[in-house]
Amino acid sequence: AAGVIQSPRHLIKEKRETATLKCYPIPRHDTVYWYQQGPGQDPQFLISFYEKMQSDKGSIPDRFSAQQFSDYHSELNMSSLELGDSALYFCASTSDVLYNEQFFGPGTRLTVL
Amino acid sequence: SQELEQSPQSLIVQEGKNLTINCTSSKTLYGLYWYKQKYGEGLIFLMMLQKGGEEKSHEKITAKLDEKKQQSSLHITASQPSHAGIYLCGAPSSGGSYIPTFGRGTSLIVHP
Repeated sequence: AAGVIQSPRHLIKEKRETATLKCYPIPRHDTVYWYQQGPGQDPQFLISFYEKMQSDKGSIPDRFSAQQFSDYHSELNMSSLELGDSALYFCASTSDVLYNEQFFGPGTRLTVL
Repeated sequence: SQELEQSPQSLIVQEGKNLTINCTSSKTLYGLYWYKQKYGEGLIFLMMLQKGGEEKSHEKITAKLDEKKQQSSLHITASQPSHAGIYLCGAPSSGGSYIPTFGRGTSLIVHP
C-alpha cells in the first residue's frame, strides 16, 4: 500500500540558507500535518492543512511557511535557517481530521551547519 | 497546555518478559494514541483509544485508557526483539480537534 512520501530524506544546509521539504500524502488523504522533532525530543506540531487551506497552526516559526497544493502534496519552506532548526521533520496525512489514524512519513533529517 | 508524561523513560527487558508503559496526562483526555518509533524514522501508529475503559489489542500489545486517572497504559506480552523502539503516546489538546501533544517517549530494548 502507498505510504506518505517525504523528500528529501536528508538535507544539509548552512546557516541563513533556505530549505524546502516536500510531503506527498497517501492518495485520497486530504489533510496533512507537519511536525518537528529535535534530538531526543518529542514531535512538536507545526502546522496542518485541510483541503489546501491551513487548518491549524502550532509552534511554527515566522521564518517558516507551508502550503498544500491542488494535488494535496505539501511543502514546508524554511528561510534564514538557524542551527536550532536541525531536526527530523515529519509529515503525516489522514482522511479524517477527527480522531482518525495519522499515517506518518519517514521524515526529512535537516542538518544546519 | 496539555502535558503527557511517560514512564518509565527507558526499559530494558529480557525476551519473553511482559512489560508496561504508562502515559499520564495533566489535563482531561479526549482520546489517546500510541505510536512506535524506530530511531530516526517516522512514527508508526499502533492504536487509538477514545473512551474511558476502552482496551485495544494489536498482536501482543494491549493498551487501555483510564479517563478518571487521565492515564493510559501499554502492555506488551512476551516481548520480542522486534518490539524494541521508542513508544510515544499522543493526545488531542482539546475535544473535537486533533492537534496532538506527544509524550517524550519510552525507549524499549529487548535482549534476546
